[in-house]
Parts: sequence; C-alpha cells; structure tokens
Amino acid sequence: EIVLTQSPDFQSVTPKEKVTITCRASQSIGSSLHWYQQKPDQSPKLLIKYASQSISGVPSRFSGSGSGTDFTLTINSLEAEDAATYYCHQSLTLPRTFGQGTKVDIK
Amino acid sequence: EVQLVESGGGLVKPGGSLRLSCAASGFIFSTYSMNWVRQAPGKGLEWVSSITSSSSYMYYVDSVKGRFTISRDNAKNSLFLQMNSLRAEDTAVYYCVRGHQEYDYWGQGTLVIVSS
Repeated sequence: EIVLTQSPDFQSVTPKEKVTITCRASQSIGSSLHWYQQKPDQSPKLLIKYASQSISGVPSRFSGSGSGTDFTLTINSLEAEDAATYYCHQSLTLPRTFGQGTKVDIK
Repeated sequence: EVQLVESGGGLVKPGGSLRLSCAASGFIFSTYSMNWVRQAPGKGLEWVSSITSSSSYMYYVDSVKGRFTISRDNAKNSLFLQMNSLRAEDTAVYYCVRGHQEYDYWGQGTLVIVSS
C-alpha cells in the first residue's frame, strides 16, 4: 500500500498570504497524484489532477507541482473562502490512498 | 449537470446490513468507473471500493473484503454498495464518486452509523 504523508497537518494563514502544502509518497507514483479541497460540511472537490493539471472552474491561484514521491499544492494569495481541509490522493495502484489531510485556517 | 445522489444510510446494529444506492445523472453513466469513498466522523478520506464501467472488475479495501459488495445497474444509472456484517468502525459518511484515476465528481454523502 502506498502511504501518502502530508505536511503540515494544520496551517493558520493570513489572507493574501501564500500557502504551500506538501505530499510525500512512500514510493514513486509518477504523476498519479491528485488534490482535493473539502470545506466544512461539504463533499470534497477536485482541485488539481495528475500533479499539475488544472481543473476547469478552479481559481488560478491553485497550482500543483512535483513527480515521483514529492508533490506540492500551492495557493497563491489566499482568500477567506479557501479555508478548508486539503487532501492528496494517489491513483497509481490499489488500494487507492489519501493523505491524512491539511487543514488551512484563516487568521 | 453531473449529479450523484446517495441514499440508504442510517443506524444499524453491529452485525447488521445496509444497502447504499447512488443515483447518477447528467453524464453517460455506463462509460465511467465508479467508487465509494468513506469518511469517519472528524477523520480523513478512505477509499472503499471501485467498479469498472461494465462491471468487469470490482476492487475493495482489505478491511471490507468479504463483507461489502459493489454493483451497478447501467440501465438505471445506479451504483450500489451492499454492506453486511457491519462493525462500529464502518461508521462514516459514504460518498459515491465518479472516476477511474482522478475523482472528479462526488455526491453529498450518506451517513452510516453502526451502534447498538
């Protein structure tokens, strides 16, 4: 099973600040890594697919990078509506696995 | 507009059974793999099961193998999860999710509580 470890677990950020969340895989997964945003009491929403590919309708301040075992989700100029928990997810092998989540709070 | 609407959750005693359903609309259901992903209260996301578009292959997380069965009815645009021998640790919101690699659409979820 591929284990995904996110860091940090929690981040408190001021609006307009840049946010960086990392996801490390226990073995190489190429670019088979996707990012989701889950706001309180809502379902998860796909933000980035295949490590760096943008999703229609997702604001351009969200971007992803990385390959192999190390991946990054970046939120440029954080907005209040970005308060949420962010998850990475690998689709290379079964079982599909998710990172433990990173909660982003707005100061 | 893609819509996934789950139903069938509820309170069940340990050892009991439940059948979850997911009604899909707004896309050609028969061409997509589908999944169940769950989230225990206050916890993260856990993949539970997947089924390919024509039901050729079904996959399960180890913790539910032999207890849960995923199925679909492409004529009725519906996805199912038969859950037997339920345990307290199965308590979670269960999401119906579209996708084979990335999971691009999620339902609102249905809550399953396993408790005596």
